[in-house]
Amino acid sequence: AQSVTQLGSHVSVSEGALVLLRCNYSSSVPPYLFWYVQYPNQGLQLLLKYTTGATLVKGINGFEAEFKKSETSFHLTKPSAHMSDAAEYFCAVSVSSSGGYQKVTFGTGTKLQVIP
Amino acid sequence: DGGITQSPKYLFRKEGQNVTLSCEQNLNHDAMYWYRQDPGQGLRLIYYSQIVNDFQKGDIAEGYSVSREKKESFPLTVTSAQKNPTAFYLCASTPAGGHGNYGYTFGSGTRLTVV
Repeated sequence: AQSVTQLGSHVSVSEGALVLLRCNYSSSVPPYLFWYVQYPNQGLQLLLKYTTGATLVKGINGFEAEFKKSETSFHLTKPSAHMSDAAEYFCAVSVSSSGGYQKVTFGTGTKLQVIP
Repeated sequence: DGGITQSPKYLFRKEGQNVTLSCEQNLNHDAMYWYRQDPGQGLRLIYYSQIVNDFQKGDIAEGYSVSREKKESFPLTVTSAQKNPTAFYLCASTPAGGHGNYGYTFGSGTRLTVV
């Protein structure tokens, strides 16, 4: 079984400051890792994903994340926060299961507040 | 543009009533999914369908039913057996390779409230 832990349900940063949202996972098999963003009353949108290969992945809106196997982490970062980054962010892990289905487990989310 | 359309955006249900949430996609995706979102709990899988005329229960299927008669459509019925249906419901889809390779495309959600 896999699990995802997002440290901090709420994170506040000043506009222009570094954004760091933490995600740790556990999985008995190599996982695929994802970050999604959700604006109020909207669906989730894929920010970036790690499947195989390069451990530093770049996504949309200037976000990036680094897969660190030794730390079982996949933290999301952005060098300079913008007001439009205020949203809720979800980390997710995906592993293969029976019948070709890939089981997805989501974290409980981190709400990012950007202070002007 | 291709995407997933969920309707209605807001839905109110009376006690003992069944309601159906619509989900339509024009992405030609094979697999479709229904999730429930409650504050502070992340997303929980209700049902999924990998091909037409086949679907599987997810983690919290009790009190819900689905059908997959067309590739484009995956409606969710919230039955009166679901004791706490107030939540935000999200429909998602993926190509045949599944979430691991592609990630989900989500609709914009339906907010269901029991009155």
